[in-house]
Amino acid sequence: AQSVTQLDSHVSVSEGTPVLLRCNYSSSYSPSLFWYVQHPNKGLQLLLKYTSAATLVKGINGFEAEFKKSETSFHLTKPSAHMSDAAEYFCVVSGTYKYIFGTGTRLKVLA
Amino acid sequence: NAGVTQTPKFRVLKTGQSMTLLCAQDMNHEYMYWYRQDPGMGLRLIHYSVGEGTTAKGEVPDGYNVSRLKKQNFLLGLESAAPSQTSVYFCASSTGSGVTDTQYFGPGTRLTVL
Repeated sequence: AQSVTQLDSHVSVSEGTPVLLRCNYSSSYSPSLFWYVQHPNKGLQLLLKYTSAATLVKGINGFEAEFKKSETSFHLTKPSAHMSDAAEYFCVVSGTYKYIFGTGTRLKVLA
Repeated sequence: NAGVTQTPKFRVLKTGQSMTLLCAQDMNHEYMYWYRQDPGMGLRLIHYSVGEGTTAKGEVPDGYNVSRLKKQNFLLGLESAAPSQTSVYFCASSTGSGVTDTQYFGPGTRLTVL
């Protein structure tokens, strides 16, 4: 069975400082992992995905995530936050026929 | 190429009323999904379809029915709406059901049941 835990429900950063959104997963087999972003009153947009190729995955808008099997983690990072990054972020582990979503992390970016 | 579209965007129902949410995709995807999003709970799968004419239950199917008469459309029905069905509903589609396949999401339908 698969599950995913987002360790922070809310994260606040100042504009221009690094972003770290934490995600741990559990999977009985080699997982595929995704990060999606949801801006207010919008749908979900794929940021990046890991599918057992390179462990460091680069996504859109300067985001990247590193798959660490030993730590069962897939944390999302960005070197420098922008005001437009304020949104809710979901970590997802993929099972057959369905996604298993984390509960989300709301990122606030302070001017 | 519109991707995944959902109709309507907003709806308010009274308890006991019925309605149908329409999802359409123009990417020729075989697999389609309906999720609901509730505060603090992420998205949960209601029903899914692996192809035209097929449907299956997801994690929270009670109170909902679905149909996939055409490959590009996936309908979600509420026969007798309840306040507990107040939520934001998202449709998604994918080329395959494998663990590496990306799901593409529609913009959502915000439903309020009074």
